[in-house]
Amino acid sequence: GESVGLHLPTLSVQEGDNSIINCAYSNSASDYFIWYKQESGKGPQFIIDIRSNMDKRQGQRVTVLLNKTVKHLSLQIAATQPGDSAVYFCAEKTEYGNKLVFGAGTILRVKS
Amino acid sequence: DAGITQSPRHKVTETGTPVTLRCHQTENHRYMYWYRQDPGHGLRLIHYSYGVKDTDKGEVSDGYSVSRSKTEDFLLTLESATSSQTSVYFCATTPRAGANVLTFGAGSRLTVL
Repeated sequence: GESVGLHLPTLSVQEGDNSIINCAYSNSASDYFIWYKQESGKGPQFIIDIRSNMDKRQGQRVTVLLNKTVKHLSLQIAATQPGDSAVYFCAEKTEYGNKLVFGAGTILRVKS
Repeated sequence: DAGITQSPRHKVTETGTPVTLRCHQTENHRYMYWYRQDPGHGLRLIHYSYGVKDTDKGEVSDGYSVSRSKTEDFLLTLESATSSQTSVYFCATTPRAGANVLTFGAGSRLTVL
């Protein structure tokens, strides 16, 4: 697989703790906000999405929160595991758009 | 990455040479995308295709062209490679318009000397 050398914000958490990864988005017209996870040497992988008319959505061990007032999105990971170590990207798109616009990413490191 | 194959996986070339990256999918997805990934920029869309022979530009399309002659293959061509095109290139697919879930390939690392 492939990966890039990254100069990104890094979040280090202890195994078992909760993680919160933040993202500021730019387009107030976006209808969907999406989180992707990229493990070292692999392509990004979809985690969860949220529509703009919602403020919270839960998945398995993950929760996404959306604050449209301040254009802020967060991904919460419960009971973080070593396998969660990766780069996390937020992305945004319009309802019928075919183009996802990605943020720069955040590195999550899980300490055992 | 199942169902999406990118080739070559690694390539080193010289400035001014043409380069073609290939994305092959077995998912029969209608939509295919080429992104580039650079430090501090996340993934940026180069071009995408919404069907055979139907393509459109993304945000960083200058210096790149694409072709899609059949559903399963999407080619990205750098007519005359420059050092600024050194990057990791990812292909992605999705079966329908407006989908939030893209399936990505494993990437192709291109170095232009």
